[in-house]
Amino acid sequence: GQSLEQPSEVTAVEGAIVQINCTYQTSGFYGLSWYQQHDGGAPTFLSYNALDGLEETGRFSSFLSRSDSYGYLLLQELQMKDSASYFCAVRRGGFKTIFGAGTRLFVKA
Amino acid sequence: NAGVTQTPKFQVLKTGQSMTLQCAQDMNHEYMSWYRQDPGMGLRLIHYSVGAGITDQGEVPNGYNVSRSTTEDFPLRLLSAAPSQTSVYFCASSSPGTENTEAFFGQGTRLTVV
Repeated sequence: GQSLEQPSEVTAVEGAIVQINCTYQTSGFYGLSWYQQHDGGAPTFLSYNALDGLEETGRFSSFLSRSDSYGYLLLQELQMKDSASYFCAVRRGGFKTIFGAGTRLFVKA
Repeated sequence: NAGVTQTPKFQVLKTGQSMTLQCAQDMNHEYMSWYRQDPGMGLRLIHYSVGAGITDQGEVPNGYNVSRSTTEDFPLRLLSAAPSQTSVYFCASSSPGTENTEAFFGQGTRLTVV
């Protein structure tokens, strides 16, 4: 079957660094994406990894290891506005994109 | 640039009623999809389309129909609403390229079935 596993909740302090992990088991893997969703809002795209390694976009970085079926999202210099849910998503063959259940990030002052 | 537009934003249905959720995008994206999101859960794929005239089932297709007569529009039909279909529905579109898979989401339709 297809599955994506990520922690349900993470809490961190403003200004700190937090890592959200995602392990996946799918067929026809094309790449791993990350999305942010604030309460009541729509998911918004953060990053995409098709190849192994680290991709950096401002305060956010994303890592992929295809051999380990593992990726993570790294958020640096945390701000209160980063409190949201973060979803990893796998694009499979046939253009299907499957989402994990999400990690709720709480940023404390 | 409007992006992905969903209508309505809110809807209450009685059990057994049917309705269509509308989704339109103006980015000329070939790939469109419908997801439902239940409280505390991720997005589950209902149906998707890789182009006009082509649709396929996702993870949870039962009780829903779709069609794709144009590139821009991808409506989702609830055939006979049930309380289990109470959810937030998101439509998304993206380019099918492998280099950039960013999906653009509509603002969602919050559906309650009573």
